[in-house]
Amino acid sequence: AQSVAQPEDQVNVAEGNPLTVKCTYSVSGNPYLFWYVQYPNRGLQFLLKYITGDNLVKGSYGFEAEFNKSQTSFHLKKPSALVSDSALYFCAVRAPYNNNDMRFGAGTRLTVKP
Amino acid sequence: DGGITQSPKYLFRKEGQNVTLSCEQNLNHDAMYWYRQDPGQGLRLIYYSQIVNDFQKGDIAEGYSVSREKKESFPLTVTSAQKNPTAFYLCATRMGGPGVYSNTEAFFGQGTRLTVV
Repeated sequence: AQSVAQPEDQVNVAEGNPLTVKCTYSVSGNPYLFWYVQYPNRGLQFLLKYITGDNLVKGSYGFEAEFNKSQTSFHLKKPSALVSDSALYFCAVRAPYNNNDMRFGAGTRLTVKP
Repeated sequence: DGGITQSPKYLFRKEGQNVTLSCEQNLNHDAMYWYRQDPGQGLRLIYYSQIVNDFQKGDIAEGYSVSREKKESFPLTVTSAQKNPTAFYLCATRMGGPGVYSNTEAFFGQGTRLTVV
């Protein structure tokens, strides 16, 4: 079965600095990987996904993520953080052979300080 | 979200009472899901449905029930058998039925916060 780990409960960065939110995964075969963002009392919003191809994936709001197969990681990055990026971020993984078993990490709370 | 409507936004349940959470979508997606979110635990799958009149248990189905009589609707009932129902419930949809479009992302509703009083 697949699983996801987000090793940091909380990430704090200053506005204008680069940010990284870490994610590692475990799955048999090639994974489908996703990042979502959640604002307070709201549903999850899709940011980006890795299916195949280029290891660097670009998504919404200036976010990008790098797929690293050897390290089984899919870290979310942004070159310059905004205060409005403060939210809860979830990494998720799904195996191609299992349509409906998408596993989510526990989430990382990102706080960007002015 | 966009195209997925969850209602109500807030729901209060008395002990021993069954309550039903609504999820309606106009995205024409085949697959629909119910997740439960608790602080620090991420999202856990309760039930999912890939086509009308068919649904499957997820990891934490005990104390919950669902139906899928229409493509657009996937209501979740929290029964009195669910001993700790206070949580944030999220409905999601995804393009593709069984074996189709497995690489598509899920879209989420705005959630229903259920509290036991």
